[in-house]
Amino acid sequence: KAGVTQTPRYLIKTRGQQVTLSCSPISGHRSVSWYQQTPGQGLQFLFEYFSETQRNKGNFPGRFSGRQFSNSRSEMNVSTLELGDSALYLCASSLQQGEQETQYFGPGTRLLVL
Amino acid sequence: AQTVTQSQPEMSVQEAETVTLSCTYDTSESDYYLFWYKQPPSRQMILVIRQEAYKQQNATENRFSVNFQKAAKSFSLKISDSQLGDAAMYFCAYRPNYGGATNKLIFGTGTLLAVQP
Repeated sequence: KAGVTQTPRYLIKTRGQQVTLSCSPISGHRSVSWYQQTPGQGLQFLFEYFSETQRNKGNFPGRFSGRQFSNSRSEMNVSTLELGDSALYLCASSLQQGEQETQYFGPGTRLLVL
Repeated sequence: AQTVTQSQPEMSVQEAETVTLSCTYDTSESDYYLFWYKQPPSRQMILVIRQEAYKQQNATENRFSVNFQKAAKSFSLKISDSQLGDAAMYFCAYRPNYGGATNKLIFGTGTLLAVQP
């Protein structure tokens, strides 16, 4: 079974632009979570989706948004990019939401904002 | 607020030796899960081991075991017979159990483990 895939793997943007990142979960998984990883702030939770509904959102500005499609694929969008948005963005999927669930992480998308 | 603290930014161990990575957390919840994740350089994060707070028995996965002290809110990872492939960043993570309402993980800052041949 294929793992979590994220596209693109690397991205360079300039300040003010917007970007869309994609995450394809493991087949059959319905829950997708997004995290931002930076050297300064570490790993921070962005949001999570289950069956196309956002279940939780982290403490990020409204420039960060996401959605999940009926096939469980998820996208996150960052508008009006800032230098501080440079980070590794990780997606994780799990079968359901629940205490027994293990989350499987993708390789991440490394975003550089110039 | 729930927080996870890893006080050792870097650790080093000789191949075949044992090393223990520390993690403490703060929460007012009684039901939660704790995890150790491994992130090798430029590779994706994988789950090493997990512990349910309601279980008193410490979790074990092959060479990896934990020392879970609920009252002290401590969750350390012991790696026995260290191998070169164990070199990675290790993250301790916490997840509250709100009846399955969330998969949100709260991570520590990580411990970079080097394994010396």
